[in-house]
Amino acid sequence: AQSVTQLDSQVPVFEEAPVELRCNYSSSVSVYLFWYVQYPNQGLQLLLKYLSGSTLVKGINGFEAEFNKSQTSFHLRKPSVHISDTAEYFCAVSDLTISNFGNEKLTFGTGTRLTIIP
Amino acid sequence: EAQVTQNPRYLITVTGKKLTVTCSQNMNHEYMSWYRQDPGLGLRQIYYSMNVEVTDKGDVPEGYKVSRKEKRNFPLILESPSPNQTSLYFCASSSRQGRNSPLHFGNGTRLTVT
Repeated sequence: AQSVTQLDSQVPVFEEAPVELRCNYSSSVSVYLFWYVQYPNQGLQLLLKYLSGSTLVKGINGFEAEFNKSQTSFHLRKPSVHISDTAEYFCAVSDLTISNFGNEKLTFGTGTRLTIIP
Repeated sequence: EAQVTQNPRYLITVTGKKLTVTCSQNMNHEYMSWYRQDPGLGLRQIYYSMNVEVTDKGDVPEGYKVSRKEKRNFPLILESPSPNQTSLYFCASSSRQGRNSPLHFGNGTRLTVT
């Protein structure tokens, strides 16, 4: 079974500063990786995803993430944050095992709350 | 507008009183799923459905039921709610056109069971 670890439950960052939100996963099989964002009182929206190919993935709102297979990591980065980036961010994995075939189940991390300081 | 609609947004009930949370999607998606979100635990899958009349358990199905009589609707039923089911619930859907199709989430239903 796979698992996802988001070590930082809260990350405060000054406006226009860079940010990195960390995500590590464990799985015995190949996985797909995702970052979702949850704005207050809303559902989750897909930020970006890694399925295959280039390990650097660009998403919406200026975010990007890098897949590192040797370190089993998929950290999310943004070079300059804005007040509007205040939200909770979830890393998620979807494994490719036969037992998960047909189930689009995502295994989520516990989330990182990003707070932007003006 | 393509969306997943959940109702109600907020629900307070008492232990043992049956309730249903509705979920409807207008994207003709085959796949639908329910998650619950709890602090420190992230989101965990309750049930999922790959198509009409096809449902299966996720990771935390105890105390819940679902049905999929129509493609667009996937209600979550709590026959006898208990306080440990107090949580934020999300419905999600996907077209299942390979792994490239993302999950679309509803805005959530916050349930409190006293």
